[in-house]
Amino acid sequence: DSGVTQTPKHLITATGQRVTLRCSPRSGDLSVYWYQQSLDQGLQFLIQYYNGEERAKGNILERFSAQQFPDLHSELNLSSLELGDSALYFCASSPEVGNTEAFFGQGTRLTVV
Amino acid sequence: AQSVTQLDSHVSVSEGTPVLLRCNYSSSYSPSLFWYVQHPNKGLQLLLKYTSAATLVKGINGFEAEFKKSETSFHLTKPSAHMSDAAEYFCVVTPSGSARQLTFGSGTQLTVLP
Repeated sequence: DSGVTQTPKHLITATGQRVTLRCSPRSGDLSVYWYQQSLDQGLQFLIQYYNGEERAKGNILERFSAQQFPDLHSELNLSSLELGDSALYFCASSPEVGNTEAFFGQGTRLTVV
Repeated sequence: AQSVTQLDSHVSVSEGTPVLLRCNYSSSYSPSLFWYVQHPNKGLQLLLKYTSAATLVKGINGFEAEFKKSETSFHLTKPSAHMSDAAEYFCVVTPSGSARQLTFGSGTQLTVLP
């Protein structure tokens, strides 16, 4: 168990809908990262938050957004969902910016039908 | 810019024989390198990491990897495969000292035959 908790584990929704994925980092970790794992794109970095502020952005679509709350949990919001958004979404956490070890949650499997 | 190439998408070995999973990297900086393992329907687990200390890195479950700067490689090895090693393995690179954005390789699926 990595200590990173993601909910829900599975999510099935229709095209055009909006969903929210939640991540609770390991106790004491200030950085949260979101990754998308799909069959055609592999594992891709989406976005990083550190202590409530956005720190780095990767290949995140404009339809997607994230935030990190004062209690350090994070949410990834996906809107106007398309079939191609079906993927496994991972959250990872680490103690601080620059620390290069990440601990991953078990992921949320999103299926868009 | 940084990138990772995992040279084999699938590797099959017999139980008890050595494992070699190959990884080459490209990085503009002195990189940190990792191997992660993903078992079916599980999250990603860190196997080992290289962060500019010893070039031979020992990880969990008997795995180790050697950082070779001249060859830009970071191959993962294990002397004797176990059935429980069957999983997907990812080589990962990130530039040291920067805001961390892990760049993942495409993964190597390891099958262990009885």
